[in-house]
Amino acid sequence: DVKVTQSSRYLVKRTGEKVFLECVQDMDHENMFWYRQDPGLGLRLIYFSYDVKMKEKGDIPEGYSVSREKKERFSLILESASTNQTSMYLCASGNQGWETQYFGPGTRLLVL
Amino acid sequence: SQQGEEDPQALSIQEGENATMNCSYKTSINNLQWYRQNSGRGLVHLILIRSNEREKHSGRLRVTLDTSKKSSSLLITASRAADTASYFCANQAGTALIFGKGTTLSVSS
Repeated sequence: DVKVTQSSRYLVKRTGEKVFLECVQDMDHENMFWYRQDPGLGLRLIYFSYDVKMKEKGDIPEGYSVSREKKERFSLILESASTNQTSMYLCASGNQGWETQYFGPGTRLLVL
Repeated sequence: SQQGEEDPQALSIQEGENATMNCSYKTSINNLQWYRQNSGRGLVHLILIRSNEREKHSGRLRVTLDTSKKSSSLLITASRAADTASYFCANQAGTALIFGKGTTLSVSS
């Protein structure tokens, strides 16, 4: 079975802190994605990566950056956390062809 | 916005009833997928329907696609309490998926 793991299920940070969210997949997928999920807004794509060291902006990249140094690992970075970044963050991976995406369990981030 | 709109936003039914949820986009629909999310968890892929297909079945799931109306529907037959979850459609847009806002289904026994 495909497994996508995220480093934390719950995280509490203070405004202005630098926050790292880690995601690891074990299926050798080319593509990895970061979404945020907010009530009433569904899932919105922050960034995705189609290869090591490659990244593309999604719909809402402002305030975020990403890093993909190894194929299996995709990190989301909040350079200076703000309260409006309180959200559920979901990582996903998938094969080329943009078919099925496999999701991690999510990280619920609270920024105080 | 390219984001999909789902209807209804919330649906409450009794066990054994059928549940239908709809999804529409303002942009053209390519390969469309449906996902399920249990409360507080990640999403799980349910079914994919390609742009040249009109209907697809998987167990108790039936998905239809109308590319001219840019819409899709998901039917869950003979629902069970375990079907209680949020359901999202996702349209392939270039190199990414654009998700709908979701329908929350509650099935009571």
